[in-house]
Amino acid sequence: AQSVTQPDIHITVSEGASLELRCNYSYGATPYLFWYVQSPGQGLQLLLKYFSGDTLVQGIKGFEAEFKRSQSSFNLRKPSVHWSDAAEYFCAVGNTGNQFYFGTGTSLTVIP
Amino acid sequence: GAGVSQSPRYKVTKRGQDVTLRCDPISSHATLYWYQQALGQGPEFLTYFNYEAQPDKSGLPSDRFSAERPEGSISTLTIQRTEQRDSAMYRCASSLGLAATDTQYFGPGTRLTVL
Repeated sequence: AQSVTQPDIHITVSEGASLELRCNYSYGATPYLFWYVQSPGQGLQLLLKYFSGDTLVQGIKGFEAEFKRSQSSFNLRKPSVHWSDAAEYFCAVGNTGNQFYFGTGTSLTVIP
Repeated sequence: GAGVSQSPRYKVTKRGQDVTLRCDPISSHATLYWYQQALGQGPEFLTYFNYEAQPDKSGLPSDRFSAERPEGSISTLTIQRTEQRDSAMYRCASSLGLAATDTQYFGPGTRLTVL
């Protein structure tokens, strides 16, 4: 069965500092991997996705993520966090059957 | 429309009542998904449609839950004989194509509270 683990429930970083959000997945085949951001009262917005090719993917808002098959990970990174990045972040894995499994999310607080 | 819309945004009902939630996807989007998101959790897949076809109902928690998309556009999710454990945010998303790799655009959700 597919599953996603986001080990960090809550992370606090200072504005301008770097950020890494962890995501580990369980899936036998090559997974489709996604990162979404959810701001209060808003729907989820796709930041980036991976399904083949270069394992380092660039997304919107300056985010990037790296697929590491050996570690079953797809961590999200940003070199310099802005106050507007404060939100809930979800990692998800999908399959060819259009089923998607989300992690429990990581809440990001940005300190001025 | 410009984005995915859902109605109502909030619904409070009494246990045992039926509720119907509506999703209006982005125009011409082929695929529509339904998710259930409990407080403090990530979205859980319920079902999806390719146009009007519903290839996968495996995520629906029980036979009290049903969904339809009769004309391949607007979709409804109906919960019969609601129970308190059905209280959650129900999210709808649509994507342009049929592939799982296509970007999903999410609506704002319907917050369901069952008393």
